[in-house]
Parts: sequence; C-alpha cells; structure tokens
Amino acid sequence: GENVEQHPSTLSVQEGDSAVIKCTYSDSASNYFPWYKQELGKRPQLIIDIRSNVGEKKDQRIAVTLNKTAKHFSLHITETQPEDSAVYFCAASLGGNNRLAFGKGNQVVVIP
Amino acid sequence: EAGVTQSPTHLIKTRGQQVTLRCSPISGHTSVYWYQQALGLGLQFLLWYDEGEERNRGNFPPRFSGRQFPNYSSELNVNALELEDSALYLCASSPGSHTDTQYFGPGTRLTVL
Repeated sequence: GENVEQHPSTLSVQEGDSAVIKCTYSDSASNYFPWYKQELGKRPQLIIDIRSNVGEKKDQRIAVTLNKTAKHFSLHITETQPEDSAVYFCAASLGGNNRLAFGKGNQVVVIP
Repeated sequence: EAGVTQSPTHLIKTRGQQVTLRCSPISGHTSVYWYQQALGLGLQFLLWYDEGEERNRGNFPPRFSGRQFPNYSSELNVNALELEDSALYLCASSPGSHTDTQYFGPGTRLTVL
C-alpha cells in the first residue's frame, strides 16, 4: 500500500512548548522518511529526514524518531517559536522505486 | 546554487483548455517529479522523469502528461482542463534515480474557471 497518515491534522502549542507530529505508513519496504515544512504561499522545504538504518536523528530544535516495527515516525519540535507556524508534511519512500508518498499535512500554530 | 525553478507562477484557464507548465531542476539533478497540491489534499504524486524517461506515474488520467528534455528540464501538460484541476502544481528534483531526497520548486498556481 501507499498510505501515509498524519496525526493530528491541526496542532496548537504555546510558544516555548514542544510539538509532536506522528505519521504512520503501510509499505514495509519504505526506507526513507523526510519531513517538509511549508509556510503559507511558499514551497515545501526539507527540514529533516531519516533512513531506516537509524532510529533517531536530531538537528538543533527538531528531531525525528522512527519505529520500523510499528511503522510510524514522529517529528519533535522543542522550544517552539512563532516562525515554526506552518504546515508540516511527512513522507515515506515507496519500496522498489524513488517515489515518495506524502501525508495530508499538519497545521502547526505556535501561539505567542 | 540556484534552486528548482518553475514557470509561470500563476495561470488562469477555462474548462476544456490545455496548459503547459515548466520546471528546471537544480543543476546536476537528473530526476524531476511533479505533484498536484489541491486545497486540503496534501501532495498527490503525478509523474517522475529521470534521464529523459518516464519512470513512474500516479493515479491521474491520461490527459495529464509530460516529458523531460536532454537538459533535464521538464514540462507538464494537462489537456481538457476541468474545474477540479485547479491546484498548486509543484515540481521537485533529486540528484538521480537512486537518491531519494527531493527539493521543491515554488510551484505554479493553476486556476480553472
């Protein structure tokens, strides 16, 4: 299957708090999991990615964790700031080719 | 290094017309992907080209087609436009068919009246 699902669809957090977005995927052959941030009217920008040979990756305030057994991966944003407000998309590679299947996106609102 | 570029930025067409959208990948990238981003529906995969060949196609009707040129730029053609084709069309590129990381262009906003 090619399904990638994101939860929750909308997330509001107070500035300084943490935000967590979870994605589940169905293709057991998926081995690459990127996260994109899309601000209003702008292109999706790659913010972090993880491959199936690692369980966690960090880059400053953002981190991604992967649980291959459960087929889910999560984006963690710590010390949220107003500029973190955006739509975040997760994606999973589809086994056997270079395609990515995307989730429907998650609107994150950071309240000052 | 220049990023992925797309043209035009905005386009207004009427039902039944045809449209061509253009994409130039990052220099050195050979793979180009096309996505449709309709409101509330996320990114739907349309087409993938690599080294001038169509490698994969999403679940879209045949009136969506495209091609990739020897310089790796690409065109997306949509024939017999329908109202539901109104969307942001995004192009992405990656270094090659064995590399997953995709970098997006700014998109073309298509409105069908």
